[in-house]
Amino acid sequence: DAGITQSPRHKVTETGTPVTLRCHQTENHRYMYWYRQDPGHGLRLIHYSYGVKDTDKGEVSDGYSVSRSKTEDFLLTLESATSSQTSVYFCAIMQRSNTEAFFGQGTRLTVV
Amino acid sequence: DAKTTQPNSMESNEEEPVHLPCNHSTISGTDYIHWYRQLPSQGPEYVIHGLTSNVNNRMASLAIAEDRKSSTLILHRATLRDAAVYYCILIDQGAQKLVFGQGTRLTINP
Repeated sequence: DAGITQSPRHKVTETGTPVTLRCHQTENHRYMYWYRQDPGHGLRLIHYSYGVKDTDKGEVSDGYSVSRSKTEDFLLTLESATSSQTSVYFCAIMQRSNTEAFFGQGTRLTVV
Repeated sequence: DAKTTQPNSMESNEEEPVHLPCNHSTISGTDYIHWYRQLPSQGPEYVIHGLTSNVNNRMASLAIAEDRKSSTLILHRATLRDAAVYYCILIDQGAQKLVFGQGTRLTINP
């Protein structure tokens, strides 16, 4: 199995509080991605990173920020969580487009 | 971003072959075609990928049209464990964005 872990795996937080999710890899892959998946829907790209300190927005980036200060960690921050951000969040890593991507097991976030 | 179109759902029987189609008429010459699947309550997992030529691996085969505007994922002998949502994705060699569509929900009947 690829070395990719997400933490925490489950979190319940209150509206208006900041939340940070962590994606950690041991594969030294260049590209890292954050997605959210809501019931009955596919994965929607939030942000992605193409290197240390290099990030770009995805389809649904409003309300989210990211940081990548070292190759192995990609952090997703909800500055002020809202109930609409209740979702399952997945992280993925990929070395380049002609190699496979690996996904974490997901973080279930509930904002009450 | 180049888009893909897949049927919302398909159904097949156990031990029969399954052909999952994907249309990508706006594909560029440098886009790789990737397939992933997502089992219930799990993250997506890689199935196969290709550029121009057909590809085979232990899980499946990928047939790519000569003009690259469509592709087909082939599961040679479906099992109940193959019931999942299958995603066809194009990844360009520039931005390397990994953007999912809605996928095809595959149901396997015993």
